[in-house]
Amino acid sequence: DGGITQSPKYLFRKEGQNVTLSCEQNLNHDAMYWYRQDPGQGLRLIYYSQIVNDFQKGDIAEGYSVSREKKESFPLTVTSAQKNPTAFYLCASTLIGGAKQPQHFGDGTRLSIL
Amino acid sequence: QQPVQSPQAVILREGEDAVINCSSSKALYSVHWYRQKHGEAPVFLMILLKGGEQKGHEKISASFNEKKQQSSLYLTASQLSYSGTYFCGTDFRMNRDDKIIFGKGTRLHILP
Repeated sequence: DGGITQSPKYLFRKEGQNVTLSCEQNLNHDAMYWYRQDPGQGLRLIYYSQIVNDFQKGDIAEGYSVSREKKESFPLTVTSAQKNPTAFYLCASTLIGGAKQPQHFGDGTRLSIL
Repeated sequence: QQPVQSPQAVILREGEDAVINCSSSKALYSVHWYRQKHGEAPVFLMILLKGGEQKGHEKISASFNEKKQQSSLYLTASQLSYSGTYFCGTDFRMNRDDKIIFGKGTRLHILP
């Protein structure tokens, strides 16, 4: 079955450490997105990519980095510069022309600080 | 730019109706609606495009008022399974980025 797979489900980060969250999709979607979710804040866009080897910053990109080397994969790195990384991270994808297309979400990764 | 959802939370008894509103200060091209259960991924409900159409999905429907820059989600004869947080996402089509901006959500709790 087609879908989006995020891993790991839970992740713990030590001070000063970079961690990478995985997002893979087999829906043949062109666009992929990373959102951060905090209680009461809704979904805030971190980065998004509409095509391989190209991506744009969202509203809260500071302290994060991404790559899009393959159409199926869009990993997110939470760097040590992100001082408050504890949150629920969601990856999504959609066909290009995303304003008219539903976003398909992965099951999320919950990141905490040790 | 973030759309404003109201109410922030609502508690209903099974069988009652609910309305959730999503308002924007800018002209809208489309509005998306999603429902999220606690700790799970958001699930797509429907998309409404500019033009004021109304869509339905079982006992859940929505309208899009272009002049008011507002969308409303209607839940009729609510069921226990309707509990969760509802998010609207809006697209302003400013620069054709194909991204949407989500509201902060409306928490809906259905009591038996």
